[in-house]
Amino acid sequence: GENVEQHPSTLSVQEGDSAVIKCTYSDSASNYFPWYKQELGKRPQLIIDIRSNVGEKKDQRIAVTLNKTAKHFSLHITETQPEDSAVYFCAAREAPAINTGTASKLTFGTGTRLQVTL
Amino acid sequence: DAGVIQSPRHEVTEMGQEVTLRCKPISGHNSLFWYRQTMMRGLELLIYFNNNVPIDDSGMPEDRFSAKMPNASFSTLKIQPSEPRDSAVYFCASSERLAGASSYGQYFGPGTRLTVT
Repeated sequence: GENVEQHPSTLSVQEGDSAVIKCTYSDSASNYFPWYKQELGKRPQLIIDIRSNVGEKKDQRIAVTLNKTAKHFSLHITETQPEDSAVYFCAAREAPAINTGTASKLTFGTGTRLQVTL
Repeated sequence: DAGVIQSPRHEVTEMGQEVTLRCKPISGHNSLFWYRQTMMRGLELLIYFNNNVPIDDSGMPEDRFSAKMPNASFSTLKIQPSEPRDSAVYFCASSERLAGASSYGQYFGPGTRLTVT
């Protein structure tokens, strides 16, 4: 099965600086890579995702890059703000064995606790 | 759209009691996932359904856990008998059909915080 590793486990940055979180995956057939943000006591929320046919995707201050050859993908947050403080999870979606038009499961990384200090 | 709905939000029960967690997925979504989250083990997939059919239950920890999805708008996760080590936050998530979908994303409910004493 798929294995996702995420680094670092904790990250502290000053407000206004950039933050980068990196993930690697093991299954070259995985084709979808979402990122989730989870604030304390809340649900994981999808913040950005990328498919394997795209190398980079950006949404305002957040961006995700994907290197299929190296099997790694990264989350970039620029101009960090205190409200960016949360735990961030990467995930990889296994490609279904056949094209059934239905979902297959996500394998999550272990999370990165981001702290943005004033 | 109300999003994924879960009930109860909090459950405190004694060891040995039966616990039933409920989930209503987003309307139109045909895949439903049950997760458990703890500090020690992180976010674990327990089971998921496509079109109300269980596809992969390899994450269900033991026979005390069971899940059903009788129709497209309702699912239950049952623990019988419950044990203190079952204490965790249980999330339900749903996603839409992949064919033609704009996103493969899973959308999580608010979770049920279960405490077994």
